[in-house]
Amino acid sequence: EIVLTQSPGTLSLSPGERATLSCRASQSVSSNYLAWYQQKPGQAPRLLIYGASSRATGIPDRFSGSGSGTDFTLTISRLEPEDFAVYFCQQYGTSPRTFGQGTKVDTK
Amino acid sequence: QVQLQESGPGLVKPSETLSLTCTVSGGSTSGYYWSWIRRPPGKGLEWIGHMFYSGSTDYNPSLKSRVTISVDTSSNQFSLKVNSVTAADTAVYYCARDVSTFPHYYYMDVWGKGTTVTVSS
Repeated sequence: EIVLTQSPGTLSLSPGERATLSCRASQSVSSNYLAWYQQKPGQAPRLLIYGASSRATGIPDRFSGSGSGTDFTLTISRLEPEDFAVYFCQQYGTSPRTFGQGTKVDTK
Repeated sequence: QVQLQESGPGLVKPSETLSLTCTVSGGSTSGYYWSWIRRPPGKGLEWIGHMFYSGSTDYNPSLKSRVTISVDTSSNQFSLKVNSVTAADTAVYYCARDVSTFPHYYYMDVWGKGTTVTVSS
């Protein structure tokens, strides 16, 4: 199965700063079928990005996804207070679907 | 909008069967695949499997021999059963709706908040 490795484990930033999160796959992700989710404590995960770069419905344009093959990035252009959360990537191009272990974005 | 809510026992004894239900509100189970995912303590998420509303299923090979997913369109619910559980099945269990932009390639667009299941005697 495809192993996804996210880095860094924790990203400490201030509101207004840019966040860059990495997701690296152990083999090429078929057709760039990679999604990003946000999760806050006690809440359901929220879909942000699918197909590596397509924003889900209602997701602000400060969230963007990029990458292809084995290297993918989620960028939050300017952190808002509500963006401090855990973010995880997931590939769905090869069964079984697999997830990264997550990156926590917290307040510096 | 569509919301999902997991329910079921929070404690299951070793060797018994874990049974969870996901209730879909604000939408219908018809026309979609429905997934279960879990997160063991201190570990990453693991996709368990999914089922189409009309019966087609796909399971993670790591769990396939012990897992059954079913969908009840009349009650707008879907369910998970895991047989012969051990402490390794202790986890937060999530249900989710699958969507796709191309057939056979599914990601999850709506998730439940999750329910904690502990396997212990």
